[in-house]
Amino acid sequence: QQQVKQSPQSLIVQKGGISIINCAYENTAFDYFPWYQQFPGKGPALLIAIRPDVSEKKEGRFTISFNKSAKQFSLHIMDSQPGDSATYFCAAIIGGNQFYFGTGTSLTVIP
Amino acid sequence: DSGVTQTPKHLITATGQRVTLRCSPRSGDLSVYWYQQSLDQGLQFLIQYYNGEERAKGNILERFSAQQFPDLHSELNLSSLELGDSALYFCASSVGSGNYEQYFGPGTRLTVT
Repeated sequence: QQQVKQSPQSLIVQKGGISIINCAYENTAFDYFPWYQQFPGKGPALLIAIRPDVSEKKEGRFTISFNKSAKQFSLHIMDSQPGDSATYFCAAIIGGNQFYFGTGTSLTVIP
Repeated sequence: DSGVTQTPKHLITATGQRVTLRCSPRSGDLSVYWYQQSLDQGLQFLIQYYNGEERAKGNILERFSAQQFPDLHSELNLSSLELGDSALYFCASSVGSGNYEQYFGPGTRLTVT
């Protein structure tokens, strides 16, 4: 059973556009929601994260929007650049010792 | 570079064999996590060690085992290998046990033929 459902599976965006990746969960015990960025041949790298008591967190061009009542959260990449082309994973964590990842979104930003 | 190192980078072996993957955490990190990444299953948490002790267990098969040594490096042992064990295996580390910020290594690509 997939604890965290991620969509879309792949995404193509024009340079300068907004990339939006969505995740949904069911377990209300999750207390931390990170996003990871993974380039080919590399391990995932922590990009940005949010706790459920916050509705939005912004770091540079990356923003997490969190909707606790809908049990959904999303990653927005503003002014998308070709260098942002990578696979993005959402994750949900309980108590720092139970980790569940989404299935990943392959983002391609075309010049 | 995350500061987490994993060896070997690639490993090719036959079904039924046993292999050992090695991970050295970032300097100062006490926790080590192991993950399996495959095309059909995505990223799956396997097991966590903190300062030498097992802390959390995920979807780890009984054929797999891990340990963390006094110098904090960790090894993941995979035995009776099957074709379906072919995957990328990542190690991650963090400062504490309940610390949510994990730093991933570059991974070991295992191919079972």
